[in-house]
Amino acid sequence: QKEVEQDPGPLSVPEGAIVSLNCTYSNSAFQYFMWYRQYSRKGPELLMYTYSSGNKEDGRFTAQVDKSSKYISLFIRDSQPSDSATYLCAMSAFINSGYALNFGKGTSLLVTP
Amino acid sequence: ETGVTQTPRHLVMGMTNKKSLKCEQHLGHNAMYWYKQSAKKPLELMFVYNFKEQTENNSVPSRFSPECPNSSHLFLHLHTLQPEDSALYLCASSQDKESTIYFGEGSWLTVV
Repeated sequence: QKEVEQDPGPLSVPEGAIVSLNCTYSNSAFQYFMWYRQYSRKGPELLMYTYSSGNKEDGRFTAQVDKSSKYISLFIRDSQPSDSATYLCAMSAFINSGYALNFGKGTSLLVTP
Repeated sequence: ETGVTQTPRHLVMGMTNKKSLKCEQHLGHNAMYWYKQSAKKPLELMFVYNFKEQTENNSVPSRFSPECPNSSHLFLHLHTLQPEDSALYLCASSQDKESTIYFGEGSWLTVV
C-alpha cells in the first residue's frame, strides 16, 4: 500500500464551483500536511500548510485534516480558470534526525469558463 | 519570482554527454534537495543536503552525482544518462530540514 494516495483525475468543473481535492494516507506518524499547486511546466508552489488535525482557511482555500480517518482535503470556493493546475498533497513525519516528506501523485484540475 | 532558481530550464542531451544542473536559493535556508518528477508518478526524492552535508541518497544511480559547495548552491552532475531519465528535475530548499520546502521552477531534461 502506498503511503499517500491521491486520485490523479482529471477533475473538470465549471467556473464558480466548489472544488474538493482529497488524499488518504496510511502512516499515522504524519504530522504536517501540505498542499502544493503546480502549473503546467512549472515547479510546485506551496499553497497551504497545516499541523495536526483541524481546518485552515486562506482566502478561497480551506485545508482540512482528519487524522482519525487519515484523510486530508483541500476545498476551493468560487473556482476560477486560473485555478486550473495540478494539486499535490504532501505530508511529513519526524524520523531520526529530520523530516521525511511524502507526496501524492497529484490531481489535475480544470476549471472551465 | 521564486526564491529558488534553477538553470538551465530545458536541457537535451545525448546518452554519452556530461552536463550539470544548477540550483541557487536566496532564502537563507540550510537544507537543499533534488527531486525527480516523471509523468504519472509521485515526486521522487533523490538527494538531501543539510548544512552542505549529504544526509540522504535515495538509491539513486551513480550516473547522477550531486554537489553542494555551500548552503546556497546545489548541482546535479549528469553522465551517461538513459532515455528513461528524461523528467523534470526539481531543486528545493527548506530551513534546517523542516517539513516545509520550497521548490524551484525545475529543469526539463530530455535524454536522446
